[in-house]
Amino acid sequence: GEDVEQSLFLSVREGDSSVINCTYTDSSSTYLYWYKQEPGAGLQLLTYIFSNMDMKQDQRLTVLLNKKDKHLSLRIADTQTGDSAIYFCADSDGNKLVFGAGTILRVKS
Amino acid sequence: DAGITQSPRHKVTETGTPVTLRCHQTENHRYMYWYRQDPGHGLRLIHYSYGVKDTDKGEVSDGYSVSRSKTEDFLLTLESATSSQTSVYFCAIRPGQGSTEAFFGQGTRLTVV
Repeated sequence: GEDVEQSLFLSVREGDSSVINCTYTDSSSTYLYWYKQEPGAGLQLLTYIFSNMDMKQDQRLTVLLNKKDKHLSLRIADTQTGDSAIYFCADSDGNKLVFGAGTILRVKS
Repeated sequence: DAGITQSPRHKVTETGTPVTLRCHQTENHRYMYWYRQDPGHGLRLIHYSYGVKDTDKGEVSDGYSVSRSKTEDFLLTLESATSSQTSVYFCAIRPGQGSTEAFFGQGTRLTVV
């Protein structure tokens, strides 16, 4: 079955860039996603990328996809304290939607 | 906010008892999912549904069953609860595949004692 892996923790200073990495195993993934979870809440979609794209930019967010290495990253520019949350990478081959373990992002002021 | 409601929000139950969690949506979305969230494991897919009476297993389906007899309701049943099933359970709904966003419920905290 599919497997999605992420590093568990990242700490950055306010104003710096954050880079959260993810690897996945399913070569039939068509879309890859980044979700954000704030304390006590469900997940919310941040951005997504179609599998035939290399990069997608959305305001402070940049998603890079290396399909050959099955590696996905999320860069947050000018990280703010409000960005502190758990970030989940997810992939979908159609029906299924599979998430990684999540990366805890801590932003120090 | 997407119209998705999980019930109950909190439950404490004894080992060996059956438990049913309900996910109700008012969006008429085709796809519904049940996940469990545990520290260090993130969100793990238990079961999902791609239509009425159409369900399939996820990566951690042992000990769980589901039913979807109508579009708006997706039930998750623990036939005989065990302490390892203590977790936070999230339901998600999604209108279609591809770029469509999954919307999550607020979660159900289940404790099996």
